[in-house]
Amino acid sequence: DAGVIQSPRHEVTEMGQEVTLRCKPISGHNSLFWYRQTMMRGLELLIYFNNNVPIDDSGMPEDRFSAKMPNASFSTLKIQPSEPRDSAVYFCASSFGDSNYGYTFGSGTRLTVV
Amino acid sequence: AQSVSQHNHHVILSEAASLELGCNYSYGGTVNLFWYVQYPGQHLQLLLKYFSGDPLVKGIKGFEAEFIKSKFSFNLRKPSVQWSDTAEYFCAVSVLGGYQKVTFGTGTKLQVIP
Repeated sequence: DAGVIQSPRHEVTEMGQEVTLRCKPISGHNSLFWYRQTMMRGLELLIYFNNNVPIDDSGMPEDRFSAKMPNASFSTLKIQPSEPRDSAVYFCASSFGDSNYGYTFGSGTRLTVV
Repeated sequence: AQSVSQHNHHVILSEAASLELGCNYSYGGTVNLFWYVQYPGQHLQLLLKYFSGDPLVKGIKGFEAEFIKSKFSFNLRKPSVQWSDTAEYFCAVSVLGGYQKVTFGTGTKLQVIP
């Protein structure tokens, strides 16, 4: 099992540019979560999907952020336009069922917006 | 909605010292409880989890946690820490049923001095 795969591992972009983060969950997992981690705010849940359907996006900071899950094996988190305060590590996690089994996290994408 | 409190933000111990990290949750119903560990520069990994049954849960690397329902607590313990335990530890809670998300605490940074 390859685990949760995120790409890219690192992204440096200029303010105003569009950024797309990608996640491939573990095969068979039907829930997917996007988290953001910063020193100031800790680990924040941005959005989560169940069976490819967004269930709770209340953590998405603002309209510049959007997430999609077109199929069970792929999800994207897009920031357009990006701002320096978006700099953080973005983690994707997946689980089977209703979280009883805990999450499996990806290695994260470290985003730096300059 | 459920919430999690970790009161120790930064703990410094010498090798072989005993560890106890506090975790309290807020929710009136049945919960699942987790401890995750994040080693420097890495993603979160599941350390142990409690669903039901024996309130003393044993996890990997010699860690254990005790669920005390009357105190809404799920403290993490290890009798003798090693330098390799230096990491950030997150307590998390989810509630049963439905599309339940896991809510994370703010984390406790553990530094073990050789």
